[in-house]
Amino acid sequence: NAGVTQTPKFQVLKTGQSMTLQCAQDMNHEYMSWYRQDPGMGLRLIHYSVGAGITDQGEVPNGYNVSRSTTEDFPLRLLSAAPSQTSVYFCASSYSEGGVYEQYFGPGTRLTVT
Amino acid sequence: GQQLNQSPQSMFIQEGEDVSMNCTSSSIFNTWLWYKQDPGEGPVLLIALYKAGELTSNGRLTAQFGITRKDSFLNISASIPSDVGIYFCAGQLSGAGSYQLTFGKGTKLSVIP
Repeated sequence: NAGVTQTPKFQVLKTGQSMTLQCAQDMNHEYMSWYRQDPGMGLRLIHYSVGAGITDQGEVPNGYNVSRSTTEDFPLRLLSAAPSQTSVYFCASSYSEGGVYEQYFGPGTRLTVT
Repeated sequence: GQQLNQSPQSMFIQEGEDVSMNCTSSSIFNTWLWYKQDPGEGPVLLIALYKAGELTSNGRLTAQFGITRKDSFLNISASIPSDVGIYFCAGQLSGAGSYQLTFGKGTKLSVIP
């Protein structure tokens, strides 16, 4: 298993540009989520999905969209990039059997918005 | 929302020393998770705790789920250079609709050879 994969690993955008961060998992996990990590702030939840066709907002959803058309993929879209979105983005997935929700993380995408 | 206080924020220790860090919450959690993040990588799950009072080991790592369900501790024994990294605690409410993890801000560990 490849686990959770993310592309690209690095990205530089200009203010106002849009882009999609890709996330895929091959573990047949129902639950997937996106976090951003900023210095001194820990990991903050952007959006999450409990299954194909179902998404919901996390703590910091503004400026981001998600969709979940398949179990495997959970892309994150930046609609109009802003410097405040400069961050490291992590995708995570977990199974949900018997009340256990151990989340496994991808390697991250390092985004800079100029 | 829930808040997790993780301490200390950073630690500098000598190789071979034991390390202890903890997290406290204003809310009750049903699950506590401990992650380690190496520079430039994603967090990796170290230990998961599911019951109040539970004590679980993973090699030189030992973690405990506090009796009040509002805290957790991680101990590392006989530290080595590869223990360097940021350690995060995360709490989770289980049950329908409660899939979210709340993270602490991390403890940055430096090991001096």
